[in-house]
Amino acid sequence: DAGVIQSPRHEVTEMGQEVTLRCKPISGHDYLFWYRQTMMRGLELLIYFNNNVPIDDSGMPEDRFSAKMPNASFSTLKIQPSEPRDSAVYFCASTRGLDTGELFFGEGSRLTVL
Amino acid sequence: SQKIEQNSEALNIQEGKTATLTCNYTNYSPAYLQWYRQDPGRGPVFLLLIRENEKEKRKERLKVTFDTTLKQSLFHITASQPADSATYLCALDIGGGTYKYIFGTGTRLKVLA
Repeated sequence: DAGVIQSPRHEVTEMGQEVTLRCKPISGHDYLFWYRQTMMRGLELLIYFNNNVPIDDSGMPEDRFSAKMPNASFSTLKIQPSEPRDSAVYFCASTRGLDTGELFFGEGSRLTVL
Repeated sequence: SQKIEQNSEALNIQEGKTATLTCNYTNYSPAYLQWYRQDPGRGPVFLLLIRENEKEKRKERLKVTFDTTLKQSLFHITASQPADSATYLCALDIGGGTYKYIFGTGTRLKVLA
């Protein structure tokens, strides 16, 4: 298996622009997670899905952030409008619900908002 | 408030020694606790999981303990090697087995040759 695939790996944008991050989970995994990592706050859980349905979005910072999972093999995290404080590495992870929840992470999308 | 603390932001040890990393938490009763390794520019990689009813788990040179009374987990790397240098993160399932994992801020370990 190719593992969790994220795109883009790097994104530089200007404040106010829309940003869309993409994730393809491991086939057969029914849980998908979006995390954000910064030096100051570490790795924060933003939202996670089970069978394409959002289970907990209490970590989403504000209305500028939205996440969707239209099918089992694709998810997006959108920021609109973006702000400099959104600069971080965004990780997607997946796991299979029958197991104990070992998370498989992608390589991350590094976002810089100027 | 919800809090997971890992000891010292950075830890340097000599090659061959045992590294001990600490994960302390408050206000949770996690069903599972996990440890991950993260190298610079990469995503975290799973190492070990321990359940709330387990005291200790081992895997090769790694050992994890879990004390639910103290609300603490210890992570040991024996016979440490320079290749063990990385950031180590603990993660707690705070959703009662629903896979709602939150992470500590991590400890950056450096093993000196």
